[in-house]
Amino acid sequence: EADIYQTPRYLVIGTGKKITLECSQTMGHDKMYWYQQDPGMELHLIHYSYGVNSTEKGDLSSESTVSRIRTEHFPLTLESARPSHTSQYLCASSGRAGGLQETQYFGPGTRLLVL
Amino acid sequence: KNQVEQSPQSLIILEGKNCTLQCNYTVSPFSNLRWYKQDTGRGPVSLTIMTFSENTKSNGRYTATLDADTKQSSLHITASQLSDSASYICVVSDRGSTLGRLYFGRGTQLTVWP
Repeated sequence: EADIYQTPRYLVIGTGKKITLECSQTMGHDKMYWYQQDPGMELHLIHYSYGVNSTEKGDLSSESTVSRIRTEHFPLTLESARPSHTSQYLCASSGRAGGLQETQYFGPGTRLLVL
Repeated sequence: KNQVEQSPQSLIILEGKNCTLQCNYTVSPFSNLRWYKQDTGRGPVSLTIMTFSENTKSNGRYTATLDADTKQSSLHITASQLSDSASYICVVSDRGSTLGRLYFGRGTQLTVWP
């Protein structure tokens, strides 16, 4: 069982609201990731971080931003939510072992619905 | 274009039966291939990981195979249980970056009926 947590699990908000999705892990992993997943579709990487104060945009263009002030914490923020942001957001982390077999451990996800 | 294709898109089987899920990929260069299980409303959980030199790997009732020449992998589930109902995702990693870029399939939705 991976020690990676996401809150909230479900969120329903109105258009234009600012929201922050929380992600934390207690495994001491240096790398963390945010993915977006729509039903029946593949995961798309939207942000990743190699370590503290390191953040990069992923493959899928996203209006969200992230920060990495502490190793264990990688929150994602939407300044002004829109219905097009409705999706499932998955946070993941991977460890210091590095190399070719580094496995990503996923959190339970946040299901976001923007009305 | 690097892609991962999975088949079938969905599958229904009876409890106790075996099944095989397929994954074809075009990712190059190839580093490793993982199978993940994703329960509804949960994050994916890693089942197996195979590198270029590995042909088969087992994890309990799950057995994954890899043919790096034809760029195909399969996940065989033996004696299925109701708890096997989930989406099974094939994920291929390349060696093209420090991050080890991951390419995700859309998954096969498996339903096991009693």
